[in-house]
Amino acid sequence: DQQVKQNSPSLSVQEGRISILNCDYTNSMFDYFLWYKKYPAEGPTFLISISSIKDKNEDGRFTVFLNKSAKHLSLHIVPSQPGDSAVYFCAASGGAGGTSYGKLTFGQGTILTVHP
Amino acid sequence: NAGVTQTPKFRVLKTGQSMTLLCAQDMNHEYMYWYRQDPGMGLRLIHYSVGEGTTAKGEVPDGYNVSRLKKQNFLLGLESAAPSQTSVYFCASSATGRGLTGPQHFGDGTRLSIL
Repeated sequence: DQQVKQNSPSLSVQEGRISILNCDYTNSMFDYFLWYKKYPAEGPTFLISISSIKDKNEDGRFTVFLNKSAKHLSLHIVPSQPGDSAVYFCAASGGAGGTSYGKLTFGQGTILTVHP
Repeated sequence: NAGVTQTPKFRVLKTGQSMTLLCAQDMNHEYMYWYRQDPGMGLRLIHYSVGEGTTAKGEVPDGYNVSRLKKQNFLLGLESAAPSQTSVYFCASSATGRGLTGPQHFGDGTRLSIL
């Protein structure tokens, strides 16, 4: 039972345009969401997060949106750059008051390719 | 700053052999985790630890054991390797404070093949 799903295995965009990566979850106990970026032969790198008390969080070119009623989050990258080409994982954690011990449930990942 | 270091980076085992994967972190983090990544399945939690001397099972713990004798180290053991354990293994650590857990920091992975 996949509690966190990324339904698009891949996404291709032109440099300078917007990249939108999507993620859906089923567990209503999740209250902290993260995006990780992964290059080949490296470990995932933390990109941006959002708590369930917010619906938007920005960090430079990266913005994460959370729609709790739809159990959906998205990552927007504007403008996209060739160096953004990587696998992007969304992840979710429940009980941010400490009861989940930070355990993460990951989506399957989306391969983003940004063409020059 | 090394962050999270995993050794070895690659290993090939025969079915039935045993081995230990080592994870070391230099960030003084309380929490540590072991994940495996398989094609099309994202990362799945094997075991985790919330402090020195403590361990707990994650989503896919069968066939693995762990130990956290020192705060900075988290060991993952395979007692009798099986082909189904062929995977890329990632270790991660995170800080905790005021009831919240920070983002996890990952090592670069160990690619393990079981023949």
